[in-house]
Amino acid sequence: AQKITQTQPGMFVQEKEAVTLDCTYDTSDQSYGLFWYKQPSSGEMIFLIYQGSYDEQNATEGRYSLNFQKARKSANLVISASQLGDSAMYFCAMRESLTGNQFYFGTGTSLTVIP
Amino acid sequence: NAGVTQTPKFRVLKTGQSMTLLCAQDMNHEYMYWYRQDPGMGLRLIHYSVGEGTTAKGEVPDGYNVSRLKKQNFLLGLESAAPSQTSVYFCASPPTSGSTDTQYFGPGTRLTVL
Repeated sequence: AQKITQTQPGMFVQEKEAVTLDCTYDTSDQSYGLFWYKQPSSGEMIFLIYQGSYDEQNATEGRYSLNFQKARKSANLVISASQLGDSAMYFCAMRESLTGNQFYFGTGTSLTVIP
Repeated sequence: NAGVTQTPKFRVLKTGQSMTLLCAQDMNHEYMYWYRQDPGMGLRLIHYSVGEGTTAKGEVPDGYNVSRLKKQNFLLGLESAAPSQTSVYFCASPPTSGSTDTQYFGPGTRLTVL
């Protein structure tokens, strides 16, 4: 079974609008971390935001927030006030203690911001 | 402080040739990982290391070998390259083993096997 599922291969958003990128995860571990990374066309992987399994509040980092719904095992990334520079691939990832703290990645969502 | 570096950045091989990719980190991290990234597949773990002298298999280890003789270096070897190994390879290193820590990525190596 896939540990991380991203069901949106591609998304479009109008500049200055908000967009939600979906991520669901599968784990039986109680202690895990959820991460979002951005990969622009230049290829580097950029860490955006982190949510811990025990965190009760949703994580926020500037224009990025993570909508964490533990019971539904979802960790959606919300980007507010989209900018042209947000056009990139976005990957959701999970790190769990049960499997030796390896990282598991989803297949990614390609976001295009339209001017 | 360079973080995580990878050598080389690009390489073209012929089928059957061998090569070694070098990952170096100057952050004194114990954990280091090698991933490959293919279109539509996300990042998949090839091998990883939890400390100097240790290595372990990840999700897609076949056709690759690794070594961690020094804490700061993690080598990925292809003994006999195949076209299926055409990919972008990323090295990454988190500061600790805790599930709360993100990982720092190298810039990637784009490998083409003809």
